[in-house]
Amino acid sequence: DIQLTQSPSSLSASVGDTVTIACRANESISRYLNWYQLKPGEAPNLLIYAASSLQTGVPSRFSGGASGTDFTLTISGLQPEDFATYYCQQSYTTPRNFGGGTKVEFK
Amino acid sequence: QVQLQVSGPGLVKPSETLSLTCTVSGDSVRSGAYYWTWIRQSPGKGLEWIGYIYYSGTTNYSPSLNSRVTMSMDTSKNQFSLTLRSVTTADTAVYFCARSLSHGFMHVDYWGRGTLVTVSS
Repeated sequence: DIQLTQSPSSLSASVGDTVTIACRANESISRYLNWYQLKPGEAPNLLIYAASSLQTGVPSRFSGGASGTDFTLTISGLQPEDFATYYCQQSYTTPRNFGGGTKVEFK
Repeated sequence: QVQLQVSGPGLVKPSETLSLTCTVSGDSVRSGAYYWTWIRQSPGKGLEWIGYIYYSGTTNYSPSLNSRVTMSMDTSKNQFSLTLRSVTTADTAVYFCARSLSHGFMHVDYWGRGTLVTVSS
């Protein structure tokens, strides 16, 4: 199985900050890496697919990057509604495992 | 707008069977463009991919759950279902149903809200 290591597991930030979350795969997954946002009691939301493609309707402050087996999610100018937990997921092969998650909290 | 809604018991006894149904609106489960997917999140833990079912009946399950999981589809009701046998407290989780693309980058593009299932006597 492909394993994804996500870091940090949590971070504290303020509105307007730029934050970056990392996700590393233990083997090549090409660009089959997706990012989701989870808020308690809500349906999760796809943010980025194919490592850097912005899902329709997602604000442009969200961006994804890739270098080999290292991937990043960057939120440029954190907004109050962005305080949530973020997960990466590989869709290169099954099982389509997720990273451990990163909780973005208000500082 | 695609919507997915999970229904089923919120409490299941250990060793019994967990059964959930996902009702889809705004799309057809007979579409060959998607895998109909189940994902769960145990309390305080991360997301776990359970597997998917395709309109043809083809299924793909996580190896860690493969011996206990069955997924099925009822096209007349536009629903797909999850059955998990011999549950333990470790199966307590919020269960999500979702739609994944069956081509391209195969990401999950729509999720349901999720339902908490507690395994307890």
